[in-house]
Amino acid sequence: AQSVTQPDIHITVSEGASLELRCNYSYGATPYLFWYVQSPGQGLQLLLKYFSGDTLVQGIKGFEAEFKRSQSSFNLRKPSVHWSDAAEYFCAVGGGYNKLIFGAGTRLAVHP
Amino acid sequence: EAGVAQSPRYKIIEKRQSVAFWCNPISGHATLYWYQQILGQGPKLLIQFQNNGVVDDSQLPKDRFSAERLKGVDSTLKIQPAKLEDSAVYLCASSLVTGQKGHEQYFGPGTRLTVT
Repeated sequence: AQSVTQPDIHITVSEGASLELRCNYSYGATPYLFWYVQSPGQGLQLLLKYFSGDTLVQGIKGFEAEFKRSQSSFNLRKPSVHWSDAAEYFCAVGGGYNKLIFGAGTRLAVHP
Repeated sequence: EAGVAQSPRYKIIEKRQSVAFWCNPISGHATLYWYQQILGQGPKLLIQFQNNGVVDDSQLPKDRFSAERLKGVDSTLKIQPAKLEDSAVYLCASSLVTGQKGHEQYFGPGTRLTVT
């Protein structure tokens, strides 16, 4: 069965520090992979997506993610975090009929 | 381009009452999704429509939840009667129907339901 695991429930970083959020997936075929961000009281916003090709994908707000098939991972990175990046981040894998299966999320706190 | 619209944004009801949520997707998006997001969890798909037909409702508790998309545009999700465990944010999303773009879902702001 398709599933997504985000091992870190909470992460706290200092403003200006680098960030890496982990995501592992289980899927039988070549996956479509996504990262969404959810600010308090808001819906989910698509940060970036991977369908095929270059395994390093760039997204909005300075985020990038790398697909590693051998590790079944799609980790999200940002070289320098801003206070406005504090939010909850969800990794998702695309299933049949355009379905998305989400992980439980990682809540990011940013210290000044 | 207008985003996905949802109303109401917040709703508080007592258990055993009924409630309805409304969603208007992005213009031209044939596929519409309703998700339930319980606090501390990721969104879980309840039902997926393509135009006005149901594609997947395998996780919809059909004894109390119902949804419709009669004209293939906006949609209503209803809970009757509500239980305490229905307290959650209900998210509506939409996407184009074909190819890879079909997986790019655009979400509304959600309706936060509290059942007391």
